[in-house]
Amino acid sequence: QKEVEQDPGPLSVPEGAIVSLNCTYSNSAFQYFMWYRQYSRKGPELLMYTYSSGNKEDGRFTAQVDKSSKYISLFIRDSQPSDSATYLCAMSGSGSSNTGKLIFGQGTTLQVKP
Amino acid sequence: DADVTQTPRNRITKTGKRIMLECSQTKGHDRMYWYRQDPGLGLQLIYYSFDVKDINKGEISDGYSVSRQAQAKFSLSLESAIPNQTALYFCATSSGSQETQYFGPGTRLLVL
Repeated sequence: QKEVEQDPGPLSVPEGAIVSLNCTYSNSAFQYFMWYRQYSRKGPELLMYTYSSGNKEDGRFTAQVDKSSKYISLFIRDSQPSDSATYLCAMSGSGSSNTGKLIFGQGTTLQVKP
Repeated sequence: DADVTQTPRNRITKTGKRIMLECSQTKGHDRMYWYRQDPGLGLQLIYYSFDVKDINKGEISDGYSVSRQAQAKFSLSLESAIPNQTALYFCATSSGSQETQYFGPGTRLLVL
């Protein structure tokens, strides 16, 4: 079993839809949670960063972390064709176990149709 | 100018050849990483370096070697390339005080 599981999709939605992207993980030591967006033929770019549990909002994007369920989500409101990309979740531990290494999900490919 | 640059952006080579991928950064970060990305597998860590004198193997280091020439430069070598090393390779950097990593644009490698 992989440490981080992410449904690869592809996920296709109409413009304006609310999109929900999710990852589950098995390592309870994870404290830092990130979402990266990767456009075709580009490197991943950091989209959202959350420490520990809770919600974080940035414009149309909301990241949620539920450590009790080992489950993280990224919500995109009013999705746009420009949101079409692959979304990767990533996470790492903290304290003495922190190596700075990120564990990535497989990535979910999203297509927003006009 | 991009903060993390990779050269070359595309490379075609033959089985058995030695090749080097280069990464440079202007972010002033002390930590640098090499990943490969394959369809359906996400990003897998090859090697990472926390400073010039500290280099560590990642999940899939077999067949690869690295050199940290300076704080800003981190090179990945394939000593004898094989077809299953065909992939997209990314360099990333981070600051020791932060968890987030910043990626370069990638090198697309094809081994024939």
